[in-house]
Amino acid sequence: AQKITQTQPGMFVQEKEAVTLDCTYDTSDPSYGLFWYKQPSSGEMIFLIYQGSYDQQNATEGRYSLNFQKARKSANLVISASQLGDSAMYFCAMREGRSGNTPLVFGKGTRLSVIA
Amino acid sequence: GAVVSQHPSRVICKSGTSVKIECRSLDFQATTMFWYRQFPKQSLMLMATSNEGSKATYEQGVEKDKFLINHASLTLSTLTVTSAHPEDSSFYICSARDSSRVNSNQPQHFGDGTRLSIL
Repeated sequence: AQKITQTQPGMFVQEKEAVTLDCTYDTSDPSYGLFWYKQPSSGEMIFLIYQGSYDQQNATEGRYSLNFQKARKSANLVISASQLGDSAMYFCAMREGRSGNTPLVFGKGTRLSVIA
Repeated sequence: GAVVSQHPSRVICKSGTSVKIECRSLDFQATTMFWYRQFPKQSLMLMATSNEGSKATYEQGVEKDKFLINHASLTLSTLTVTSAHPEDSSFYICSARDSSRVNSNQPQHFGDGTRLSIL
């Protein structure tokens, strides 16, 4: 079974508008972390935001916020005030367990295109 | 911030060549590094977990004799694609996490990746 599901292969958003990228996850481990990465066409992976399974509040980092709904096992990324430079692939990922030395499992990604 | 350097960024070589890719953590130590492979328009797939001073752990379906991993120091892991063939052409990317940071919320830091093209 897929551990990370991103159901939107591609999304379009108008510049300056907000956009939500969906992510659902599947785990039986009570301790886990959820990450979002941005991958521009050049290929590097840019860390955006993190949400821990025990965190009470939704994570925010500048224009990025994470809509964490634990009961529904969803961790959607919200990008506010979209910019042309936000056009890229976005990956949701999960790390299970308390140790930081377990690998990330990635979803299939969503390609975001910001339109002027 | 934490930086992972990956070299080379691009390799084009003939079939049958062995290619070595280096992954270095520049300002932190990493007892564990990870190697991922990404085919065009697909996600990152974990190939193996590289452990300093011990054997790597390979994911199911990844040939350990094909993809040799060496993690000889706390800042360097290498992936060698032996006798590469066109089907090995892919984007290979490594990641590492600062071993001194115990909080599990610390992200993995990725190298910039290596585009491998086998002719």
